[in-house]
Amino acid sequence: GQNIDQPTEMTATEGAIVQINCTYQTSGFNGLFWYQQHAGEAPTFLSYNVLDGLEEKGRFSSFLSRSKGYSYLLLKELQMKDSASYLCAVMDSNYQLIWGAGTKLIIKP
Amino acid sequence: NAGVTQTPKFRVLKTGQSMTLLCAQDMNHEYMYWYRQDPGMGLRLIHYSVGEGTTAKGEVPDGYNVSRLKKQNFLLGLESAAPSQTSVYFCASSWDSSGANVLTFGAGSRLTVL
Repeated sequence: GQNIDQPTEMTATEGAIVQINCTYQTSGFNGLFWYQQHAGEAPTFLSYNVLDGLEEKGRFSSFLSRSKGYSYLLLKELQMKDSASYLCAVMDSNYQLIWGAGTKLIIKP
Repeated sequence: NAGVTQTPKFRVLKTGQSMTLLCAQDMNHEYMYWYRQDPGMGLRLIHYSVGEGTTAKGEVPDGYNVSRLKKQNFLLGLESAAPSQTSVYFCASSWDSSGANVLTFGAGSRLTVL
């Protein structure tokens, strides 16, 4: 079966750095997405990786290793507004998105 | 530019009642999707549409029906609601289904079935 694993919850301190991991087992691979979802709101797109390596976008970076079935989202200079759930999703060989359950990130002052 | 709009935002139903969730997008997107989100689980695809007049089943289609009579609208119907359908429903749209397919989501509709 297809599976996306990510930690259920993480806690970090304002101003610090946090890394949210995502491992996947899917039928084929056509890209990996990270979405941010604030409580009670819609998911919004953060990043897309299809080749191995690091993609940097401001305070957020996303890394992919296709051979290891692994990605991480790196958030730097954490702000209170970064408190949210972070969803990892993989597009399989049929271009269907498989979603992880999300990681709830709690930022403490 | 409103993006993706869902109505209603909240609804409480009794078991056996029917209802329709409406999704409207103003971005001229071809693809539209209905997902449900439950605690501890990833988003699960209910039905999707690849263009006006077309619909297809997703991962969890049972108990739901959909229609896409106009390109901008995608309706999700529950014919006979069950408590297992208590969930938050998200509509999303996109240009296509290619690898770099970024979804734009609506704000969600919270449905409770008693």
